[in-house]
Amino acid sequence: NAGVTQTPKFQVLKTGQSMTLQCAQDMNHNSMYWYRQDPGMGLRLIYYSASEGTTDKGEVPNGYNVSRLNKREFSLRLESAAPSQTSVYFCASTAGYEQYFGPGTRLTVT
Amino acid sequence: AQSVTQPDIHITVSEGASLELRCNYSYGATPYLFWYVQSPGQGLQLLLKYFSGDTLVQGIKGFEAEFKRSQSSFNLRKPSVHWSDAAEYFCAVGSSGSARQLTFGSGTQLTVLP
Repeated sequence: NAGVTQTPKFQVLKTGQSMTLQCAQDMNHNSMYWYRQDPGMGLRLIYYSASEGTTDKGEVPNGYNVSRLNKREFSLRLESAAPSQTSVYFCASTAGYEQYFGPGTRLTVT
Repeated sequence: AQSVTQPDIHITVSEGASLELRCNYSYGATPYLFWYVQSPGQGLQLLLKYFSGDTLVQGIKGFEAEFKRSQSSFNLRKPSVHWSDAAEYFCAVGSSGSARQLTFGSGTQLTVLP
């Protein structure tokens, strides 16, 4: 039982490049989330998926897109990366109220 | 809209001393409250949660928290801190409904002196 897994762990992009962050959970959870973590700002919700087939914007969705591929997988895409998207990205999932987090992806955009 | 305030950005305590981390929330209904801990380079781990019932909740690693509705607070406590408790601590409030979103505070960094 791996819980929530994220790939890659680290990534460096140049401005304008695109990439997809992958997230998978093996706990049969309905809801999945993408957050970004920046110093002094806690975690801010980018997008979430309350159930398979649905996605909604969170607090900071601009510059991102998501896909809920199936119940297990929820990906985050940066179409044209900007330096302001340098951050640590966390995926989480839940079946109730407490969320379980992945180990994070540290992204640097130069 | 819900919000969480953690007024202390950084706290330093000596090993063996007691600890209290403050958390104030704003939420219209009965809140679902959480404390998470994050060690350097790691994801977030749930320490404890409050949904209803007894206002003093026990968590892992010897932590406890007390829900005080009148003060809109959910402070985290530990009687005796260990060096391994050095980490960043986040308070969060959860919404009801199908989305079950969490709103996080900005975090409190805990340093433990030997």
